[in-house]
Amino acid sequence: QQQVKQSPQSLIVQKGGISIINCAYENTAFDYFPWYQQFPGKGPALLIAIRPDVSEKKEGRFTISFNKSAKQFSLHIMDSQPGDSATYFCAASILGDKVIFGPGTSLSVIP
Amino acid sequence: DTAVSQTPKYLVTQMGNDKSIKCEQNLGHDTMYWYKQDSKKFLKIMFSYNNKELIINETVPNRFSPKSPDKAHLNLHINSLELGDSAVYFCASSGAGQPQHFGDGTRLSIL
Repeated sequence: QQQVKQSPQSLIVQKGGISIINCAYENTAFDYFPWYQQFPGKGPALLIAIRPDVSEKKEGRFTISFNKSAKQFSLHIMDSQPGDSATYFCAASILGDKVIFGPGTSLSVIP
Repeated sequence: DTAVSQTPKYLVTQMGNDKSIKCEQNLGHDTMYWYKQDSKKFLKIMFSYNNKELIINETVPNRFSPKSPDKAHLNLHINSLELGDSAVYFCASSGAGQPQHFGDGTRLSIL
C-alpha cells in the first residue's frame, strides 16, 4: 500500500519532443505528490509538486497531470532539451510524513 | 551557501571498519533525514529526526546509528561495514509541511 510505481524505467526522446513519465499509487491517504530531478553526482532536487485537489499543474515546460480516481499521475516535459537528461523520481507522501519514492526513470534527450 | 551539505563526498573503506558521515543544513528546518540510494538508483528512507528526536526508523540494521546533536546536524555512524552497505547516502531536510531538500550525497564503497 505504501508503494509508488513508475514507468518507464528509461526513456529516450529527441530534442524538441515530449517526455512522459507515469506513476501510480495505492494509498488514498497520500496528499502530496512531488517530482524530483536528479543529475549524476547530485542529490534529487524538487522539480514540481501537486496536491490531489487539482488535476493539473504547469511550471514552464513541466506539467503534472493528476487523476485522483485512477490513483495515477504523470509528468510531461514539453520541448525536451538535452539539459533535461537526468533521472526523474515521482513520489508520494502524507505531508509532514515520510516520502515514498518511485523507482526512477532515466531520461536521455538526444539532439 | 550550500543548503544541505554532507561530508565526506566519497568514502572508500574496508569491510569491518566503522565510519561516520556528517550532515548539516542551514535552512532552519526542523526535520532531517537519511536516505540510501542503491546501484539501481532506488531511494529508500532510513531515518528521520524532528528537532533532535527520532521519528522514523525504517528496517535498518542496528549497525547504523544516527545522531542529531542539534536540529541543524544529523550524522550517521556505521559499525562493522559490510559489502552490501556500498551505496550513496543522502541527507535531506524539510520544514513543516514543506518538500525535502537533499544534499549531494556520500558515495560509500566497501572493499
